[in-house]
Amino acid sequence: EDKVVQSPLSLVVHEGDTVTLNCSYEVTNFRSLLWYKQEKKAPTFLFMLTSSGIEKKSGRLSSILDKKELSSILNITATQTGDSAIYLCAVGQYDGGATNKLIFGTGTLLAVQP
Amino acid sequence: GAVVSQHPSRVICKSGTSVKIECRSLDFQATTMFWYRQFPKQSLMLMATSNEGSKATYEQGVEKDKFLINHASLTLSTLTVTSAHPEDSSFYICSARRPQGAGTDTQYFGPGTRLTVL
Repeated sequence: EDKVVQSPLSLVVHEGDTVTLNCSYEVTNFRSLLWYKQEKKAPTFLFMLTSSGIEKKSGRLSSILDKKELSSILNITATQTGDSAIYLCAVGQYDGGATNKLIFGTGTLLAVQP
Repeated sequence: GAVVSQHPSRVICKSGTSVKIECRSLDFQATTMFWYRQFPKQSLMLMATSNEGSKATYEQGVEKDKFLINHASLTLSTLTVTSAHPEDSSFYICSARRPQGAGTDTQYFGPGTRLTVL
């Protein structure tokens, strides 16, 4: 059975801390790995990773994929209260047709305290 | 950008009635849209994949006669919850797939619809 597992499930840090969120997967026909940030409503796109070892960076956020270990990490440096959210990892699965399903992990709830 | 809208954002209905939720891609054409359901403190669960001009593909355990999906154009997909019951109360989110080159693509999400069935 295809699955995506995130850890930790929840995390509380103080402003200025650096956090690392983990995502591991067992998915057939892997195509891509995506990170989303979900606050009160729908998820907003952060990164899409397809190649192993190439870091993607956006401001204080960065992410990298390790296809050998079937995992990815999302790093957030100098955390701010606005980073508080659920961070979702999703794996895109090629199904041989025109669609590409995303299989979501359980999410990591990050709370950044002032 | 890639903007996806969803309407309504919130709906309260009586048990036994039907509710239609619209999902629109505003600035790109989406040949494929997805419908998810999310329970409190849980992740997104894919309900069905909607392809323009063809029948939707439902995930295992999702009743296609209860959750009717129509993808009439490249920018609009609708989800109709028929004969809604309190257990159908949930957060429904759509996404639209925007191709970004050969072999890769990204889904962009609508703001979601909070359905409460009394």
